[in-house]
Amino acid sequence: EVQLVQSGAEVKKPGESLTISCKGSGYNFTNYWIAWVRQMPGKGLEWMGIIYLPDSETRYSPSFQGQVTLSADKSISTAYLQWSSLKASDTAIHYCARITVAAPNTFDSWGQGTLITVSS
Amino acid sequence: SYVLSQPPSVSVAPGQTARISCGGNNIGSKSVQWYQQRPGQAPVLVIYADADRPSGIPERFSGSNSGNTATLTIDRVEVGDEAGYYCQVWDITSVPVFGEGTELTVL
Repeated sequence: EVQLVQSGAEVKKPGESLTISCKGSGYNFTNYWIAWVRQMPGKGLEWMGIIYLPDSETRYSPSFQGQVTLSADKSISTAYLQWSSLKASDTAIHYCARITVAAPNTFDSWGQGTLITVSS
Repeated sequence: SYVLSQPPSVSVAPGQTARISCGGNNIGSKSVQWYQQRPGQAPVLVIYADADRPSGIPERFSGSNSGNTATLTIDRVEVGDEAGYYCQVWDITSVPVFGEGTELTVL
């Protein structure tokens, strides 16, 4: 069974750093891409970035370029989303999702989401 | 950048047919995916490549795409279908674009 399991909820203060994780299982991790998607409270889905495995090349949405960093450790089938300085506006649920490499490149499996709350 | 437009909400009685639209410039030339997000849950792929269903998705869910509008159709709507529905395509620069989402209410 394909699974993406994300790390648990976090409560942080503005200016703090944070890394959350997404561990894949039940499939060959490097045969797919991993995307990160933000959902602010009561709002829709926003694409943040994609990490293209196996070479770990990254592409960021212009809205998130310079705000977050994507990475992956293929040896443990885990992708990461990192902030160096959180803002209150980062309060949201963040999902990782597997993207099929073959067209039409679907987000065919999603993690359960990680709620990040940033508040002073 | 490419923009997808969805109605904020659609309401339908149980057993009836729900149709959710997704508008975009010449969207008929693109491959459209649809995701269902039940309250408090992660999104789930329900339609890909305009009209194909992943395994495990009921036949009640179908999709079409032509001209400037793609449509998700849910036949014999059930209370469990109450959810947010998002359309998605890839734009010309190979980045994903999501619609704003449509809340389906089952009356």
